[in-house]
Amino acid sequence: NAGVTQTPKFQVLKTGQSMTLQCAQDMNHEYMSWYRQDPGMGLRLIHYSVGAGITDQGEVPNGYNVSRSTTEDFPLRLLSAAPSQTSVYFCASSSAGTGRRETQYFGPGTRLLVL
Amino acid sequence: QQQVKQSPQSLIVQKGGISIINCAYENTAFDYFPWYQQFPGKGPALLIAIRPDVSEKKEGRFTISFNKSAKQFSLHIMDSQPGDSATYFCAPTSDRGSTLGRLYFGRGTQLTVWP
Repeated sequence: NAGVTQTPKFQVLKTGQSMTLQCAQDMNHEYMSWYRQDPGMGLRLIHYSVGAGITDQGEVPNGYNVSRSTTEDFPLRLLSAAPSQTSVYFCASSSAGTGRRETQYFGPGTRLLVL
Repeated sequence: QQQVKQSPQSLIVQKGGISIINCAYENTAFDYFPWYQQFPGKGPALLIAIRPDVSEKKEGRFTISFNKSAKQFSLHIMDSQPGDSATYFCAPTSDRGSTLGRLYFGRGTQLTVWP
C-alpha cells in the first residue's frame, strides 16, 4: 500500500512551458485535491474532485487544469508556466464516507521552479 | 477573506517545555478541527483532531482544547521534544454544505524545540 504518490519530485520549467504533475493513490479514495504551499501562506487549495468525472475549483485555480478519469489518478496540468507558479505542490486524498472525509492523506510533494 | 488565523507564526521552546499554538476561525459551519504536522521535505500528516461535542481531547503528549463560543481551538504539546520540531497547521473543515471536506489551512507555526 503506497498511499499517495506524486511525480516528479523536482521540476524546473521555463516561462511558457507546459507540464503535468502526476498524483496517484491506491486507497480507493473518492476525494482528491491539489494544494500549493508557499512560504508563510500555508496550503491553498487549487482544485479538488469528489469522484471520477467530477472536479471543481478551489481557492487559487487560475493557470491550472485538472481531470479525473479514474478513481486512482488526479493529474494537475500547468498550461503555460509562470514564475508565480513556483511552489511546492501537494496532492491529497480521503475517503468520502461520512466521518472519514476529513482525514486527508498527503503525498510527498512536487517542488516546481519556473524561471 | 482569511477564514482561519493561526498564531504564533514561529515558536521556540526548550526541551521539556509546553508548546501552545492557537487557531481562530470564522465559519460556523466547520465541525471538524484537526491539526496537521509537517516535517521538512514531507507532506502534512494528521496529528490530532477534535469534534465540537467535546472541549478537550488528549493523545499522549498532544492535547486539543476547543472553545466553540470563541470560535477558537488550540494545540498543546506537553514535555516538548526536539523530534517535535516541525511546522504545525490547523485546518478546520466540515462534512456538509459548501465546505464539503475541504481543509481550510492556517498559515502555519514553525516550532523549534531546543535540546
